[in-house]
Amino acid sequence: SQQGEEDPQALSIQEGENATMNCSYKTSINNLQWYRQNSGRGLVHLILIRSNEREKHSGRLRVTLDTSKKSSSLLITASRAADTASYFCATGNTGGFKTIFGAGTRLFVKA
Amino acid sequence: GAVVSQHPSWVICKSGTSVKIECRSLDFQATTMFWYRQFPKQSLMLMATSNEGSKATYEQGVEKDKFLINHASLTLSTLTVTSAHPEDSSFYICSAEPRGPIRSYEQYFGPGTRLTVT
Repeated sequence: SQQGEEDPQALSIQEGENATMNCSYKTSINNLQWYRQNSGRGLVHLILIRSNEREKHSGRLRVTLDTSKKSSSLLITASRAADTASYFCATGNTGGFKTIFGAGTRLFVKA
Repeated sequence: GAVVSQHPSWVICKSGTSVKIECRSLDFQATTMFWYRQFPKQSLMLMATSNEGSKATYEQGVEKDKFLINHASLTLSTLTVTSAHPEDSSFYICSAEPRGPIRSYEQYFGPGTRLTVT
């Protein structure tokens, strides 16, 4: 079964504002990954955080992982209109060989 | 960076025909490739895991005789939708995990193939 649930389902902000998306999962994981998908396109890998890490940065992206709460957050700072996309979290499960995706958060950044 | 291509990018076929979709890792080898299906405004649903040189592992509810997967080499996996019906219309995306001494768990995605069955 699929796991990984993003919150909120949709988010609309103004350019320059920060966007925060959350992801919750159900089972033990090896890692958690965030992806971006522009409408009708394939996925772009943004960042991977391992289960023994708590925070990771990449440019304007900041990801946190709380394994005790089985949750992760993705923060996009100083958002741009080009950040408009759907964002998915995906978990790589311990002992497993597949990545399961959540339903995604649709982010709209208004110029 | 690692690039994955899919061909074709879109296809329209008649009901009852079969369609083959190719997924290639262009600049890396992948022992494992994944096939996903995505409905509009929904998440990706894993259909099967394809391992080079062995049979694919299908997710529960996915008909292996309908969705034939062949992972013939370390850079190519194919998905054939047999006897396609309108309900098979969807966006099919593949991904590949680079081969290495230690699993990276990173996946590189293809651009997707939009299948429309009329």
